[in-house]
Amino acid sequence: DVKVTQSSRYLVKRTGEKVFLECVQDMDHENMFWYRQDPGLGLRLIYFSYDVKMKEKGDIPEGYSVSREKKERFSLILESASTNQTSMYLCASSESRGEGTEAFFGQGTRLTVV
Amino acid sequence: AQRVTQPEKLLSVFKGAPVELKCNYSYSGSPELFWYVQYSRQRLQLLLRHISRESIKGFTADLNKGETSFHLKKPFAQEEDSAMYYCAPPGGSASKIIFGSGTRLSIRP
Repeated sequence: DVKVTQSSRYLVKRTGEKVFLECVQDMDHENMFWYRQDPGLGLRLIYFSYDVKMKEKGDIPEGYSVSREKKERFSLILESASTNQTSMYLCASSESRGEGTEAFFGQGTRLTVV
Repeated sequence: AQRVTQPEKLLSVFKGAPVELKCNYSYSGSPELFWYVQYSRQRLQLLLRHISRESIKGFTADLNKGETSFHLKKPFAQEEDSAMYYCAPPGGSASKIIFGSGTRLSIRP
């Protein structure tokens, strides 16, 4: 059974705190993704990594950074959390093949910034 | 990155009525497309992919190159179909996956 695991289901943080969201996959996938999911806005890509130490910005990278030191782990970092970063965060991974591959998702982390 | 659009944020139909969730793509080449579903309190998961041409939970999706569409259809909606549905291109070598904005399907009893 394939697994993408996010370290927390729920987090409450204060404005200005540095926040780490962790994601681990056990499928040896090259690609990993961080999305945020908001009502009416759907799923928006924050950052993408296609290899260890490699990253690309998604559509909404402002206020976020990422780290991928090991193939199985992809971390999302909020340097200084703000209330507009209150959201559901989803991590995903996929194989890197020439033909199309599906994405596998974690269970999500609901972050509230107060 | 390949992109898709889902024009409807919310679709509400009665149980037993036909359902069609719209998805349009705007990239050239031979497109492949996926539909993902998220049921309440469950993780987002793949529902079906066009290349497999299969029916999953009664849903089918046909790629229409002339209309650049990949609409998801089901002839008779069931209450358990209520969920959030996303259309997306597939991943691949060093490829971002940009999802459509999603459609919330609500089935009324």
